[in-house]
Amino acid sequence: NAGVTQTPKFRVLKTGQSMTLLCAQDMNHEYMYWYRQDPGMGLRLIHYSVGEGTTAKGEVPDGYNVSRLKKQNFLLGLESAAPSQTSVYFCASSLNSNQPQHFGDGTRLSIL
Amino acid sequence: EDQVTQSPEALRLQEGESSSLNCSYTVSGLRGLFWYRQDPGKGPEFLFTLYSAGEEKEKERLKATLTKKESFLHITAPKPEDSATYLCAVQSTGTASKLTFGTGTRLQVTL
Repeated sequence: NAGVTQTPKFRVLKTGQSMTLLCAQDMNHEYMYWYRQDPGMGLRLIHYSVGEGTTAKGEVPDGYNVSRLKKQNFLLGLESAAPSQTSVYFCASSLNSNQPQHFGDGTRLSIL
Repeated sequence: EDQVTQSPEALRLQEGESSSLNCSYTVSGLRGLFWYRQDPGKGPEFLFTLYSAGEEKEKERLKATLTKKESFLHITAPKPEDSATYLCAVQSTGTASKLTFGTGTRLQVTL
């Protein structure tokens, strides 16, 4: 009963390094989302996908790229990490736009 | 622009002491209002969806209600295991794939 699985759970990067966060869901959901959560702020949408091969920008997309090559996976990339990208990143998925989103347990990313 | 404001920021209750959490929202057209629970170090866990004013949903000690401007999460006779941060989010008719979240209410229930 995995649901939404995020890897890695923790990561420390140096400024300028790149990395990819992986999200996998086993619920056959069409929609997938990437959020970031910062202290004192609500969850903010970075990018989302409404189906395999599609992606769209959310509220705070700058500095991030995404890909949805397979329906079950949604990748979030940081090409050149900056300290402002230190955050907790959450992936979510939903069956469609009318159904609730189900979240993974997050990736805690620190950029020094 | 959709906005969600939750109050209070933090709430401390004794076991059995009932209370309510507030979620005030501004949205062009409400498609749905969602309540989530988030435990430390975990992702948000879905609780309820409310779609129209007057609607109510219940789950164990929790009851969510909705008006045209706000939602309440009523907690009846809470237990320590109800301690968590409760998040409210709205989905508008204009942006069906986007949820706007509040900053949450951090609830602590003590013995």
